[in-house]
Amino acid sequence: GQSLEQPSEVTAVEGAIVQINCTYQTSGFYGLSWYQQHDGGAPTFLSYNALDGLEETGRFSSFLSRSDSYGYLLLQELQMKDSASYFCAVLFDDKIIFGKGTRLHILP
Amino acid sequence: DAGITQSPRHKVTETGTPVTLRCHQTENHRYMYWYRQDPGHGLRLIHYSYGVKDTDKGEVSDGYSVSRSKTEDFLLTLESATSSQTSVYFCAIAETSASSETQYFGPGTRLLVL
Repeated sequence: GQSLEQPSEVTAVEGAIVQINCTYQTSGFYGLSWYQQHDGGAPTFLSYNALDGLEETGRFSSFLSRSDSYGYLLLQELQMKDSASYFCAVLFDDKIIFGKGTRLHILP
Repeated sequence: DAGITQSPRHKVTETGTPVTLRCHQTENHRYMYWYRQDPGHGLRLIHYSYGVKDTDKGEVSDGYSVSRSKTEDFLLTLESATSSQTSVYFCAIAETSASSETQYFGPGTRLLVL
């Protein structure tokens, strides 16, 4: 089967750095994506890793290690607007399987 | 923002009634998806389409059917709604395939089955 594991909740302080981990038990996928979803809103694309290593997009970075079946999303210089849920997802040829999401709480 | 809309945005219905949700896109993207989102379960794929009249099942397809007669429209039907189908339903589109890395999501439909 295919499964992705993420922590259900993470708490961090405004201005700090936080890492959200994603471990998976699946194979044969193209890459690992990350999506952000604010309360009441739709998921929006953040980042994608097709290859092992680090991808940086502004304050957000994402990492993938296929040998370790592991990835993470790194958020730097946290802002209150980053309070949201974050989903990792593995991409196959015709569909995406999402993790259950991590709720990020940011303290002032 | 990708041109993707969902209708209705909110619906309350009774157990046993049929319900159809519509997803409409103006991007001419080939791939369209229906997900449901429930607390503790994240986003789960119901059905998807890889072209007009070409559809396939996702991980939670029981009780749902879909149709795609035009590129721009993807319909999700609950033939006989049950309370377990109370959820938020999201449509998504992708230009080439899931492996193109980015899916664009519609605003969602909140369905309550009494």
